[in-house]
Amino acid sequence: DAGVIQSPRHEVTEMGQEVTLRCKPISGHDYLFWYRQTMMRGLELLIYFNNNVPIDDSGMPEDRFSAKMPNASFSTLKIQPSEPRDSAVYFCASSFAGQTYEQYFGPGTRLTVT
Amino acid sequence: KNQVEQSPQSLIILEGKNCTLQCNYTVSPFSNLRWYKQDTGRGPVSLTIMTFSENTKSNGRYTATLDADTKQSSLHITASQLSDSASYICVVTPSGGYQKVTFGTGTKLQVIP
Repeated sequence: DAGVIQSPRHEVTEMGQEVTLRCKPISGHDYLFWYRQTMMRGLELLIYFNNNVPIDDSGMPEDRFSAKMPNASFSTLKIQPSEPRDSAVYFCASSFAGQTYEQYFGPGTRLTVT
Repeated sequence: KNQVEQSPQSLIILEGKNCTLQCNYTVSPFSNLRWYKQDTGRGPVSLTIMTFSENTKSNGRYTATLDADTKQSSLHITASQLSDSASYICVVTPSGGYQKVTFGTGTKLQVIP
């Protein structure tokens, strides 16, 4: 298996622009997670899905952030409009409930908002 | 408030030496405690997962221990290698699901020749 795939790997955008991050989970996994990592705050869970349904989005910082999972093999995290404080590395992870919460992380998308 | 504190923040050791990283948590009740290794520029990779009823779990040269009474966990690395240089993150998941999963800020380990 190719593992969790994220795109793009790097994104540089100007403040106010829309940013869309993409994730393809491992085939057969029924949980998908979006995380944000910064030097100041470490890793933070933003939102997670189970069987394509958002279960908990309490970690989403504000209404500018939205996430969707239209099918079992694809998810997006959108920021509109973007701000410099959104600069971070965004990770997607997936897991299968039968594996005792083992999560497999993608390589991350490094977002820089200028 | 659920917290996970790791110590030390950073550590430098000589190749071949052993080291122990600490994790103290306040999450209760909790479902599982995980240790991740994160190489620079990459996503975290799971090293061990322990439920509340487990005391120790090994993965090669990595051994994690858990004391649920004192709410402490440690990760012991034996015969360190240069490739062990990374950040090590302790993550605690509360009972009932992934809500409020709490991450430690990590220990940055550097192994030098």
